[in-house]
Amino acid sequence: ELKVEQNPLFLSMQEGKNYTIYCNYSTTSDRLYWYRQDPGKSLESLFVLLSNGAVKQEGRLMASLDTKARLSTLHITAAVHDLSATYFCAPRISGDYKLSFGAGTTVTVRA
Amino acid sequence: SQTIHQWPATLVQPVGSPLSLECTVEGTSNPNLYWYRQAAGRGLQLLFYSVGIGQISSEVPQNLSASRPQDRQFILSSKKLLLSDSGFYLCAWSLGGNEKLFFGSGTQLSVL
Repeated sequence: ELKVEQNPLFLSMQEGKNYTIYCNYSTTSDRLYWYRQDPGKSLESLFVLLSNGAVKQEGRLMASLDTKARLSTLHITAAVHDLSATYFCAPRISGDYKLSFGAGTTVTVRA
Repeated sequence: SQTIHQWPATLVQPVGSPLSLECTVEGTSNPNLYWYRQAAGRGLQLLFYSVGIGQISSEVPQNLSASRPQDRQFILSSKKLLLSDSGFYLCAWSLGGNEKLFFGSGTQLSVL
């Protein structure tokens, strides 16, 4: 069973500052997804990281994957209010097609 | 393009009543289909997945069941709801051999 730990679970950000969300997982995984969920809404795919050392960036978000350390990070640069949401990481067990989700990190950006 | 429809959006049901949530996918054939549940303030728990018509795999024991009567239709059911069944239910699909999930809009179920 693939266990996924995200931290922090809650993150209060100040506008304009930088923050990082961490995602650790317990067994070998060869790819990992990041999803965003707005309150009461469904999940939207942000990134897929397909290999060790992969880095993806879009806007103020940058995600990276270290498969050897079993760690992915989601870095937020100069936080803005519209980034307030819950962010989930979801690695895939190598050779499987199911994703395992972390508990999510709820981000609130304040002025 | 592919779309996923899930209904109803919200549902309030008494304890002991039955449940039927429906999900359909358009624009693709033979998708993998999934039901997830998200309890308030919690992560996503995979309940069921299906790789084909009539093929259902259950991830956790519970009083829920799933069926796939048609290729692009996935139904979540219960004969008697419990309070603990409350949550946000999400249907999702992926293409066979590819694990990227596309989620429906979700059903907020409150069991009172």
